[in-house]
Amino acid sequence: GAVVSQHPSWVICKSGTSVKIECRSLDFQATTMFWYRQFPKQSLMLMATSNEGSKATYEQGVEKDKFLINHASLTLSTLTVTSAHPEDSSFYICSARQLGYGYTFGSGTRLTVV
Amino acid sequence: SQQGEEDPQALSIQEGENATMNCSYKTSINNLQWYRQNSGRGLVHLILIRSNEREKHSGRLRVTLDTSKKSSSLLITASRAADTASYFCVSSSGGSYIPTFGRGTSLIVHP
Repeated sequence: GAVVSQHPSWVICKSGTSVKIECRSLDFQATTMFWYRQFPKQSLMLMATSNEGSKATYEQGVEKDKFLINHASLTLSTLTVTSAHPEDSSFYICSARQLGYGYTFGSGTRLTVV
Repeated sequence: SQQGEEDPQALSIQEGENATMNCSYKTSINNLQWYRQNSGRGLVHLILIRSNEREKHSGRLRVTLDTSKKSSSLLITASRAADTASYFCVSSSGGSYIPTFGRGTSLIVHP
């Protein structure tokens, strides 16, 4: 079945630094990738949608300059949290869509900013 | 993205009892999936039901879909303490294909 590999699974970083999260579709080409954020005891909220080779579409309230999304190839999308602050601490998860087959979620990344 | 509603938001039962969770969504869908999430962990896919299906079973899971009411239910029979987790419905609409999460139900099964 379709597998999406997400790394790292957890990361602790200092306030003000940047963190990159990668999502790779291992055995299929992902035409679209979705990035979600989940705060404690809440549901997953869509942050942005990215199509390979084009700029990401961000949801209202999500700062595009803070959450940089790159989808340079059909198998790789990255989310970079720039100048991270403690309030960015959250669970981030990606989802990759394979045309005609639906979507597959990564395993998530727990980000803690100290 | 528009989130669907799920109820109850929290459910506490005894081991062996059945647990029923409901989910409603706003737009027409291609399919609806149910996932579970243990605290602070990734998503585990449970079951997918397509828009032309009304009921589906998988082990102790039973999912129904009522497209006229835009709602779905997940029934876990003979619950176990290990079923303690959060459960989310995820819908995919016809036009956007964006997976949209419901609010989730937090299930606690007491041994």
